[in-house]
Amino acid sequence: NAGVTQTPKFQVLKTGQSMTLQCAQDMNHEYMSWYRQDPGMGLRLIHYSVGAGITDQGEVPNGYNVSRSTTEDFPLRLLSAAPSQTSVYFCASSNPRQRAGNTIYFGEGSWLTVV
Amino acid sequence: GQSLEQPSEVTAVEGAIVQINCTYQTSGFYGLSWYQQHDGGAPTFLSYNALDGLEETGRFSSFLSRSDSYGYLLLQELQMKDSASYFCATPNFNKFYFGSGTKLNVKP
Repeated sequence: NAGVTQTPKFQVLKTGQSMTLQCAQDMNHEYMSWYRQDPGMGLRLIHYSVGAGITDQGEVPNGYNVSRSTTEDFPLRLLSAAPSQTSVYFCASSNPRQRAGNTIYFGEGSWLTVV
Repeated sequence: GQSLEQPSEVTAVEGAIVQINCTYQTSGFYGLSWYQQHDGGAPTFLSYNALDGLEETGRFSSFLSRSDSYGYLLLQELQMKDSASYFCATPNFNKFYFGSGTKLNVKP
């Protein structure tokens, strides 16, 4: 069972560079989201999608862009990396229509450092 | 807005029982979930309460009181492997909000 797969696991960027974090899920979940996790601050929602072609902003969307062209994929783009974006990023998916719709499945995380 | 408050850290000994509390303020409420995260790992789902009362899953139980905007996670027969961070979370209009997490330290 692959579940939620995100890549890369580790990345170092220079300030101003752009990059894309990839995320794919094989559970046919409608709902996908991206979170960032900083020490002592829990998980904060960046962007989310309720289905292919539909995305919306979360709590901390500035500096990030997303698209959802297929049910399976939900990439996160950093447009111009800043040191404040140094964090651990988690992709997640769930299916509100399922009986356990409030179960969120997370990817393994991507550790991003911006220097 | 959404706000979930948890203690930042709890310490307990192996074999004991520990309770991790979560109080919330939300504009709408659709239940409370709990997640476990080991250092360097991803959060994993533990339990979900949609209605008031206790939900039991093995050594873990979760309780919800909607009238008090309060819930807790109860861990029994603590084991060293239970050392992790625990997060409460609530969904709201397709967004899931998480507390800042409680770090549980289990000592021998």
